[in-house]
Amino acid sequence: QVVESGGGLVQSGGSLRLSCAASGFNFRSYSMQWVRQSPGKGLEWVSFISGSGSPVLYADSVRGRFSLSRDNAKKSLYLQMNNLRVDDTAVYYCARDPGGWAFDYWGQGTLVTVSS
Amino acid sequence: QSALTQPPSASGSPGQSVTISCTGTSSDLNHYNYVSWYQRHPGKAPKLMIYEVNKRPSGVPDRFSGSRSGNTASLTVSGLQAEDEADYYCSSYTGNNILIFGGGTKLTVL
Repeated sequence: QVVESGGGLVQSGGSLRLSCAASGFNFRSYSMQWVRQSPGKGLEWVSFISGSGSPVLYADSVRGRFSLSRDNAKKSLYLQMNNLRVDDTAVYYCARDPGGWAFDYWGQGTLVTVSS
Repeated sequence: QSALTQPPSASGSPGQSVTISCTGTSSDLNHYNYVSWYQRHPGKAPKLMIYEVNKRPSGVPDRFSGSRSGNTASLTVSGLQAEDEADYYCSSYTGNNILIFGGGTKLTVL
């Protein structure tokens, strides 16, 4: 399973660090990704990281502001979010990618609210 | 990169079949086999139903099937059951190291 944490309320321009703790599978063997869902909207892909930690890919909407990393020894994923904007408000999901850009295990999500 | 286009709603009676479409462009849906479908019940995390256009993960009933024709992918649910009522999202890899989702389709079992 994967469990996200670190969400909360932050002002526009602020920062947050989301974490995703994995268990029950060989973490280092899998790419991991983040997907978000803003209130009343659909799913939006955010970022990808391979099992080794490189490459790391970002959606245009977050590139340059978000940074994704992983610690395979701790079986954890970290999404550092800087210069947050109101439109970053969403539930952020961590998901396992077994290959082929499909997500077979998702966490329950962590809510990030950015106020103006 | 624009989102994939899905109808906002679909419906069918128990036992019937319903097909949900997902339309993209020649740069995404028609170019790569990385097309997936997810089921989302309210308050729950999405569940992978179809990957690589038409493959089912273990545990997904064979009532769910995926296909593609040109720039349009489809999810067909046969033998509709009450528990199939949910939101369904498609996704496609686009090249350029980007993944895009459809806007979602709310499936109602009448």
